[in-house]
Amino acid sequence: QKEVEQDPGPLSVPEGAIVSLNCTYSNSAFQYFMWYRQYSRKGPELLMYTYSSGNKEDGRFTAQVDKSSKYISLFIRDSQPSDSATYLCAMSETNTGNQFYFGTGTSLTVIP
Amino acid sequence: GAVVSQHPSRVICKSGTSVKIECRSLDFQATTMFWYRQFPKQSLMLMATSNEGSKATYEQGVEKDKFLINHASLTLSTLTVTSAHPEDSSFYICSARALSGGAADTQYFGPGTRLTVL
Repeated sequence: QKEVEQDPGPLSVPEGAIVSLNCTYSNSAFQYFMWYRQYSRKGPELLMYTYSSGNKEDGRFTAQVDKSSKYISLFIRDSQPSDSATYLCAMSETNTGNQFYFGTGTSLTVIP
Repeated sequence: GAVVSQHPSRVICKSGTSVKIECRSLDFQATTMFWYRQFPKQSLMLMATSNEGSKATYEQGVEKDKFLINHASLTLSTLTVTSAHPEDSSFYICSARALSGGAADTQYFGPGTRLTVL
């Protein structure tokens, strides 16, 4: 079983839709959770960073962590064509540790 | 946010030659830099962790003699693919971790280098 599972998609939504992206994990020691956005042929860009359980909001993006279910989500409100990218979740046990565990990424297309 | 650059962005080389890729943290000092490899439609695969002033730590299955890593300063790490072969063609991405706490302890990625070995 992989440490982090993420549905690769592809996911296609109309502009303005709410997008829900998810990852599950098996290691209960993970405490730090990240979402990265990766445009084609570019490096990943950090979108959200959360610690432990709870919600974090930044503009149209909301990250949610449910440690009891080992499940994290990224919600995108009022999705835009510019949101079309691959979204990678990542997690680690500590914030100074070297080992990040990445999901495979979900490919999202927002149709104008 | 923190900025990480990579050079070159794209390189095409002949089989048997060596290629050097540079990774720089532009507005922060990075004690640790990471090198990843990414195949199409796949996630990032960590190759090695590079700490300034010390030898890199390689992940299992990664040949240290083939992928030479040097982290000479707090802002620069280099990856040299020696005697490159077509199977080394891939997207190589570096990331850097800042010194200060909080969100800065996460990894900031460079734009990646597309290597094609003919």
